[in-house]
Amino acid sequence: GNSVTQMEGPVTLSEEAFLTINCTYTATGYPSLFWYVQYPGEGLQLLLKATKADDKGSNKGFEATYRKETTSFHLEKGSVQVSDSAVYFCALSDRNYGGSQGNLIFGKGTKLSVKP
Amino acid sequence: GAVVSQHPSRVICKSGTSVKIECRSLDFQATTMFWYRQFPKQSLMLMATSNEGSKATYEQGVEKDKFLINHASLTLSTLTVTSAHPEDSSFYICSASPTGLGSPLHFGNGTRLTVT
Repeated sequence: GNSVTQMEGPVTLSEEAFLTINCTYTATGYPSLFWYVQYPGEGLQLLLKATKADDKGSNKGFEATYRKETTSFHLEKGSVQVSDSAVYFCALSDRNYGGSQGNLIFGKGTKLSVKP
Repeated sequence: GAVVSQHPSRVICKSGTSVKIECRSLDFQATTMFWYRQFPKQSLMLMATSNEGSKATYEQGVEKDKFLINHASLTLSTLTVTSAHPEDSSFYICSASPTGLGSPLHFGNGTRLTVT
């Protein structure tokens, strides 16, 4: 079945360091891919998404490119800040409900801690 | 922006009792809501899809008689954990999406259930 594998954390970086969180997926067909972020004490928020191969999602300095040939959707940011400390979830959607985004299959999450 | 409210955020109950968790879409209508469960250091697992005005669709391995879902209105879905046992202790999260192509899922802040 469909699945998402992302690098295990925790990841600890100094401020302004480069961030990469790896994510690979297994899916039939052409899923949509997402990164969600969960800040301490808050719910999940959509960070960025890509709906087809070679699409690049970007938001708040984060980027991820949908690579069908390597079935990957790695999250990157050139210079992290303390405020980026959170848990990041890679996810794919293989269903569609009435045009809205359907259910999601999540990776296990990667906790990022950024030190000043 | 779209907000999903989940209540309670934390609940402790005794074995054998039932617990109800509410999920409300505050500023949009949702014909479909999703219930997830997250074990420590595990990914979010979809439990069921809640459909307004009809029966929920449960994922394989989820006991429908144990996890009762009621989606009585376009803004409210409830998950009742019946005859709770310690192994039901987990983090439960709901999500919903406004109707419309490409509308993202919005997540509640989750409910931490502890069964003693």
